[in-house]
Amino acid sequence: GAVVSQHPSWVICKSGTSVKIECRSLDFQATTMFWYRQFPKQSLMLMATSNEGSKATYEQGVEKDKFLINHASLTLSTLTVTSAHPEDSSFYICSAGKGYTDTQYFGPGTRLTVL
Amino acid sequence: GENVEQHPSTLSVQEGDSAVIKCTYSDSASNYFPWYKQELGKRPQLIIDIRSNVGEKKDQRIAVTLNKTAKHFSLHITETQPEDSAVYFCAASIGGATNKLIFGTGTLLAVQP
Repeated sequence: GAVVSQHPSWVICKSGTSVKIECRSLDFQATTMFWYRQFPKQSLMLMATSNEGSKATYEQGVEKDKFLINHASLTLSTLTVTSAHPEDSSFYICSAGKGYTDTQYFGPGTRLTVL
Repeated sequence: GENVEQHPSTLSVQEGDSAVIKCTYSDSASNYFPWYKQELGKRPQLIIDIRSNVGEKKDQRIAVTLNKTAKHFSLHITETQPEDSAVYFCAASIGGATNKLIFGTGTLLAVQP
């Protein structure tokens, strides 16, 4: 199989606080993990590519100091939304790739609401 | 920059009819083209994919075709069922050596019983 989990599935926080989202590959080692953001009724927007043991590569327009990504092991990547504001409210989804193949397997997503 | 266009944005068909969704990509180095199905509030699920060395691939009621020259690829669903109702996304790999994907804008498929 290729199972990817995310935690938490939903979170509500106050403006100005930081939120950490975890993405885990449960039954395989993920050399690369990806973080996406999805607004209602819209497509998946790639935020960053995360490789184990190295710094994440951010897409144009994504603030790296705002969205901190850590890929400490082959099965875990974390996304921390720092000093969250209401405009950061969104559905955040991670995906993981098996080795160097192209196929990406998605986590269930985390719905973040910032009040 | 690279982009993927997807049409139509919404598609309504009668149960049993066929559905076709089309995508166009811009990066000539793209070599991997997956299709994902996403039900409301759930994760995207890979339903079929095709690589650039193949022109067509079929899996039961689902097929994908690729025209590299025209940079077009299409998803075909035959004998549609109500449970096929969902949002479908096409995607194309960026560059020849990466596994980074760029997604189309999505197609909301509604299969009427």
